[in-house]
Amino acid sequence: GAGVSQTPSNKVTEKGKYVELRCDPISGHTALYWYRQSLGQGPEFLIYFQGTGAADDSGLPNDRFFAVRPEGSVSTLKIQRTERGDSAVYLCATGISGSRTDTQYFGPGTRLTVL
Amino acid sequence: DAKTTQPPSMDCAEGRAANLPCNHSTISGNEYVYWYRQIHSQGPQYIIHGLKNNETNEMASLIITEDRKSSTLILPHATLRDTAVYYCIVMYNTDKLIFGTGTRLQVFP
Repeated sequence: GAGVSQTPSNKVTEKGKYVELRCDPISGHTALYWYRQSLGQGPEFLIYFQGTGAADDSGLPNDRFFAVRPEGSVSTLKIQRTERGDSAVYLCATGISGSRTDTQYFGPGTRLTVL
Repeated sequence: DAKTTQPPSMDCAEGRAANLPCNHSTISGNEYVYWYRQIHSQGPQYIIHGLKNNETNEMASLIITEDRKSSTLILPHATLRDTAVYYCIVMYNTDKLIFGTGTRLQVFP
């Protein structure tokens, strides 16, 4: 079956621009997570949705970062006034329920480059 | 912060068992040990998880010491496709996986 998909696969933007990154979850998965991964590092948690609501946004680095999941399926990560330090791979993962033994299924990521 | 310590890199000959260690000396009673791996340019992939008992699935075996302060992931017959970064993660709250820098496993012919 279809896994988690993320679009675009690559995004190059200029400093100060606004970007949107999209995540299409596995059908029926209610839990959705965003992570970002800098070169040579493990993924870093950003935000977790349970259904339509953000259950934990403690990983968002500042108020330039925002994510939505209006219908409890597709999610969009939005970054305003991008900075060169935002360059990273942004990973989306989904889970059936978000329970403590839930497996997270990751998408291939979006590589964001801020020039 | 990650609650685990892993060696930065390991090598393994193809067809041999790969044994990847992980120390988690501050683990609490209800915290699970999870293993994920990340093949180059892909998203992380779930391998296995356990609480107290040893676990085995089609991909690997997980051996957890009796005091739960360390564990070992075993790939019984490593192949070139197993070359990846392997992450050991201790998790109680399921709203986030906290990754360390993992172990880079290189399987050679």
